[in-house]
Amino acid sequence: DAGVTQSPTHLIKTRGQHVTLRCSPISGHKSVSWYQQVLGQGPQFIFQYYEKEERGRGNFPDRFSARQFPNYSSELNVNALLLGDSALYLCASSYISGYTFGSGTRLTVV
Amino acid sequence: QQPVQSPQAVILREGEDAVINCSSSKALYSVHWYRQKHGEAPVFLMILLKGGEQKGHEKISASFNEKKQQSSLYLTASQLSYSGTYFCGTEEPGTYKYIFGTGTRLKVLA
Repeated sequence: DAGVTQSPTHLIKTRGQHVTLRCSPISGHKSVSWYQQVLGQGPQFIFQYYEKEERGRGNFPDRFSARQFPNYSSELNVNALLLGDSALYLCASSYISGYTFGSGTRLTVV
Repeated sequence: QQPVQSPQAVILREGEDAVINCSSSKALYSVHWYRQKHGEAPVFLMILLKGGEQKGHEKISASFNEKKQQSSLYLTASQLSYSGTYFCGTEEPGTYKYIFGTGTRLKVLA
């Protein structure tokens, strides 16, 4: 079985731009969650989606949004990028318990 | 508030044992443990669902004391491959927000 796949793996954007990150969960996993991990810190929860509905949201500004598609894949969108948005963005899928993470998208904002 | 882990960092020789603690100021209903190697995504180790539950995974085991709102991860006869940052994680009851602990950096030396 394929694991959680994220694309792209690396991305460089300019301040003020918009970015879309993509995640495909493990087959059969209906829940997808997104995390931001700044270098040297633990992952911070951004969103959780289940069956296309937002089920949980972390303490992130409205510039961050997400959605989940009928095939359970998900997109994370970030508008008006700031330098501080530079981080590793992780997606995780879960079925009953425990989370499987993708390899992440390394976003650099310059 | 994120769970607090102790110690923050530990250095071991191969074959030595270590204990990592995770304490929460809020009630814990389940605890997950992860290991993250530098530049990689967190890897799920185990989940503890019930107070008093103990689990083992090769030479890595964990316990969960619901009343004390804490969990401990036990690493026995450590191997070089155990090096990394260990995180506990839990879901805030009723919110679906997932919170990682503060992390413990573990390094095993030959």
